[in-house]
Amino acid sequence: EVLLVESGGGLVQPGGSLRLSCAASGFTFSSYAMSWVRQAPGKGLEWVSTLSGSGVTTYYTESVKGRFTISRDNSKNTLSLQMNSLRAEDTAIYYCAKLGPASSSHYFDYWGQGTLVTVSS
Amino acid sequence: EIVLTQSPATLSLSPGERATLSCRASQSVSYHLVWYQQKAGQAPRLLMYDASNRATGIPARFSGSGSGTDFTLTISSLEPEDFAVYYCQQRSSWRWTFGQGTKVEIQ
Repeated sequence: EVLLVESGGGLVQPGGSLRLSCAASGFTFSSYAMSWVRQAPGKGLEWVSTLSGSGVTTYYTESVKGRFTISRDNSKNTLSLQMNSLRAEDTAIYYCAKLGPASSSHYFDYWGQGTLVTVSS
Repeated sequence: EIVLTQSPATLSLSPGERATLSCRASQSVSYHLVWYQQKAGQAPRLLMYDASNRATGIPARFSGSGSGTDFTLTISSLEPEDFAVYYCQQRSSWRWTFGQGTKVEIQ
């Protein structure tokens, strides 16, 4: 059974930093690209970042480029998101999501339960 | 960036009725359109991929169709557990975008 468990969310002041983690199990972690998707309170889904299975190739949505860094440790089956210079508009539930196989890496087939990040003074 | 527009924003129906949800892309996404279901307080769940393929464990009352820019998700007969928000999604040039969602609520 695929399981994704996020942690690290919390309350942070504007301009602050936070590091999210996602512990993965139930599949060969290094074989799949992984992503972060967020959802602001009462709003829709927004893709944030994706990292290839090897950890070499990264993709970011424009609004977080230069502020967020996605990384992974394939020896520990862990995905991370380092968030710096946080803004009020980054307030959201952050979901860790697994992408489909390489031939179908356009969809997210498994999601964690999410971790809430609140940016407020 | 490809923009996905979902309609209607809200669909008010009764259990047993047929639900038809639409997703329109600002440019062609071929057949690579995905649907998710999100219930209140829960993470999204993959429903359909490549427009018409049901994900593992998804009941046959869910079906998808379309290609290019116009796509439809149909729920043939609504069950109580189907009342939720539905999102469409695509990937283009290594950017993933979602529609704004359609809420299917109990009338």
